[in-house]
Amino acid sequence: QVQLQESGPGLVKPSQTLSLTCSVSGASINSGAYYWSWIRQYPGKGLEWIGYIYYTGDTYYNPSLRSRVTMSVGTSKDQFSLNLSSVSAADTAVYYCATATEVRAFDVWGQGTMVTVSS
Amino acid sequence: DIQMTHHPSTLSAYVGDRVTITCRASQNIDSWLAWYQQKPGKAPKLLIYKASTLESGVPSRFSGSGSGTEFILTISSLQPDDFATYYCQQYKSYSWTFGQGTKVEIK
Repeated sequence: QVQLQESGPGLVKPSQTLSLTCSVSGASINSGAYYWSWIRQYPGKGLEWIGYIYYTGDTYYNPSLRSRVTMSVGTSKDQFSLNLSSVSAADTAVYYCATATEVRAFDVWGQGTMVTVSS
Repeated sequence: DIQMTHHPSTLSAYVGDRVTITCRASQNIDSWLAWYQQKPGKAPKLLIYKASTLESGVPSRFSGSGSGTEFILTISSLQPDDFATYYCQQYKSYSWTFGQGTKVEIK
């Protein structure tokens, strides 16, 4: 059973880069079974898909964030990461990592990590 | 982007009630729709995918229907554990997008 756990700083200063890592257990990122995704949820509850990375390294980002987002797979192959540059208060949200498939959408989620952008 | 709209935004119901939540897509998404349940402080949980397929382990009182642009989530007999916020999400085309959610409250 796949389990996901987000980690990273809970406070980021405006204009800096938000960096989060998702640790994966119960599955291999190299299996090709999933699109390894990031989603965020604003304090007012709206959910926004940020993007995904596939085991091949292929990525697809939400066009509204594409200029600021980078995703990568860790060298240990049991982690994947999100970098979001030039953050502002509008990027304050709970950030989730999740697995996605073409049929079952987002079927497994991490518990989420709150990131606040503030000086 | 494909916009997803829930009706209603909030719903008050009694335990045992039959509850329906509607989700409308701004364009045709065939059956590429998922439903999630979220409780406060928790991650969303997948309930239904492909518009009507129940995720493993989800109680059979949950069901989904629809295709194209209009979709319905039905809870046949509302249980105390079902009070939560429900989201629809389309995965027909990028960007994958979510509705704003329907909060189901105790009446």
